[in-house]
Amino acid sequence: GAVVSQHPSRVICKSGTSVKIECRSLDFQATTMFWYRQFPKKSLMLMATSNEGSKATYEQGVEKDKFLINHASLTLSTLTVTSAHPEDSSFYICSASRVYEETQYFGPGTRLLVL
Amino acid sequence: DQQVKQNSPSLSVQEGRISILNCDYTNSMFDYFLWYKKYPAEGPTFLISISSIKDKNEDGRFTVFLNKSAKHLSLHIVPSQPGDSAVYFCAASSSPGYALNFGKGTSLLVTP
Repeated sequence: GAVVSQHPSRVICKSGTSVKIECRSLDFQATTMFWYRQFPKKSLMLMATSNEGSKATYEQGVEKDKFLINHASLTLSTLTVTSAHPEDSSFYICSASRVYEETQYFGPGTRLLVL
Repeated sequence: DQQVKQNSPSLSVQEGRISILNCDYTNSMFDYFLWYKKYPAEGPTFLISISSIKDKNEDGRFTVFLNKSAKHLSLHIVPSQPGDSAVYFCAASSSPGYALNFGKGTSLLVTP
């Protein structure tokens, strides 16, 4: 199978601090990973596309200086929420796909709560 | 602008019956369609997919039908089981390696 992990699964932080979320493809290499955000009872909204070895491509309306994405290797992408505010509280999910494969496999998600 | 639409936010079906979840899309460039199942506070789990060159794909109890001219696809679950109760998302992409466009999801409840 294709397994994608995320860490941490849940994080609570104080306003103004930074939080790093890791996304790993455990049994395959992923040249591209995606970061999504889901608000309660809403659809998954794409935040950015993360390509190994290059800068991430952000969707319109997503602040690149606030949501820092690093795709350091073929199995790891990180999302750092900088200077977090309560409105950043959300469910963050990453996905990855094998090279030339169209199916994306999702991580279990990270619940972020900013107090 | 929502390019993938699931117009039924919820659906209730009796165990053993057929569940039909519908999805419409507006972008004619979409070439690949997927259905995901999702539980609260968990990532989506891939269920079944179909490419635009096909009009039907079947996997066990799950069948996806694609009507490209109508820009419509549907997921059939037969027979429905209580464990199928979850939110189902329809997603589409225009090319391998491209991000998915998701619908808003349909919450399916299968009652005993």
